[in-house]
Amino acid sequence: TQLLEQSPQFLSIQEGENLTVYCNSSSVFSSLQWYRQEPGEGPVLLVTVVTGGEVKKLKRLTFQFGDARKDSSLHITAAQPGDTGLYLCAGPRNFGKGTSLLVTP
Amino acid sequence: DAGVTQSPTHLIKTRGQHVTLRCSPISGHKSVSWYQQVLGQGPQFIFQYYEKEERGRGNFPDRFSARQFPNYSSELNVNALLLGDSALYLCASSATGVQPQHFGDGTRLSIL
Repeated sequence: TQLLEQSPQFLSIQEGENLTVYCNSSSVFSSLQWYRQEPGEGPVLLVTVVTGGEVKKLKRLTFQFGDARKDSSLHITAAQPGDTGLYLCAGPRNFGKGTSLLVTP
Repeated sequence: DAGVTQSPTHLIKTRGQHVTLRCSPISGHKSVSWYQQVLGQGPQFIFQYYEKEERGRGNFPDRFSARQFPNYSSELNVNALLLGDSALYLCASSATGVQPQHFGDGTRLSIL
């Protein structure tokens, strides 16, 4: 089983701040996905990273895949209350425990 | 186009009972996977089916079983329910059986 560790587990920030969440493993992944989940809903795919060193941007969200394809990060610029949710990284069939983000006005 | 649909949305059972959860994948998707998500945790993989064949099984007891039908819809069955089976059960579909997956909103199962 390829374990994925996410940090921090919880994050509470004010609107306008920047933040980074991390996803780490001792295993090499062919690809990693990032999902966002809101209460009462299923996870929604944000991005898939495939190539080591790859950087993808989705509006204010920047995703990076580590050169060795063992880790990934998600950076949010100028967070908004609408960014509140559980951010999950995932490999094939396994998920991290998630980072629960709360952005207050 | 309709996304992944799951039914029922909520279910309450008592210990020892059995339950059947249903999932309809996105049209054209041939793979369905099932996950269990306990509050505060990430989803845990239970099963994957592709073209009606089991492609993978997670670390769950034999009380959990699943099947996929010719129209690619799927059922997850859980027998002899325990309190610890209370969770959100998520279904995900993909076109080819590999990432990315698209999730339904889940079935919230509560065991009393």
